[in-house]
Amino acid sequence: KNQVEQSPQSLIILEGKNCTLQCNYTVSPFSNLRWYKQDTGRGPVSLTIMTFSENTKSNGRYTATLDADTKQSSLHITASQLSDSASYICVVSVGMIKAAGNKLTFGGGTRVLVKP
Amino acid sequence: EAQVTQNPRYLITVTGKKLTVTCSQNMNHEYMSWYRQDPGLGLRQIYYSMNVEVTDKGDVPEGYKVSRKEKRNFPLILESPSPNQTSLYFCASSLSPTTYEQYFGPGTRLTVT
Repeated sequence: KNQVEQSPQSLIILEGKNCTLQCNYTVSPFSNLRWYKQDTGRGPVSLTIMTFSENTKSNGRYTATLDADTKQSSLHITASQLSDSASYICVVSVGMIKAAGNKLTFGGGTRVLVKP
Repeated sequence: EAQVTQNPRYLITVTGKKLTVTCSQNMNHEYMSWYRQDPGLGLRQIYYSMNVEVTDKGDVPEGYKVSRKEKRNFPLILESPSPNQTSLYFCASSLSPTTYEQYFGPGTRLTVT
């Protein structure tokens, strides 16, 4: 069964500090891995997407890494700001051969709270 | 402005009363999908569509129907809603499944009593 597990479930960090979120997946065949940011009550917003051949990708203060061999990904937030308080969701796309395309498997998310 | 719109944003209904949640995008995206989000379960894909008249089941399609007659619209239909379909629903679109700019709608909070 395709699964995506994220850790920790939640964390609290002080403004200005760094943090790293983890994502482990058992998805086959793998197509790509995405990280989303979701503010409370709003739709998720894409941060990064990585395919099998990519090891790292950055979007401002967000840096995602991917180890396709161990099926692990991480999202690093540098110099956190109060606006980083949100849920961060790891999503893995299952590659399908048929024309109907890919399916997405979502992790449960990590809730980040940045305190002043 | 590029956006995905959903209507209604909030809906309270009773068991068995058919309803439709509309989704529309103005970005000429081919790929559209529906998700539900429940506490402790995260986002789960209900249905997706690669293009007009091409739809496929996601992880939790039971009790839902979709149609894709036009590129911009992807309505979600609940023929006979039940209380376990009480949830927060999101529609999303993108140029393709591998394009990272997947745009999500604002969400529809549905309560079935």
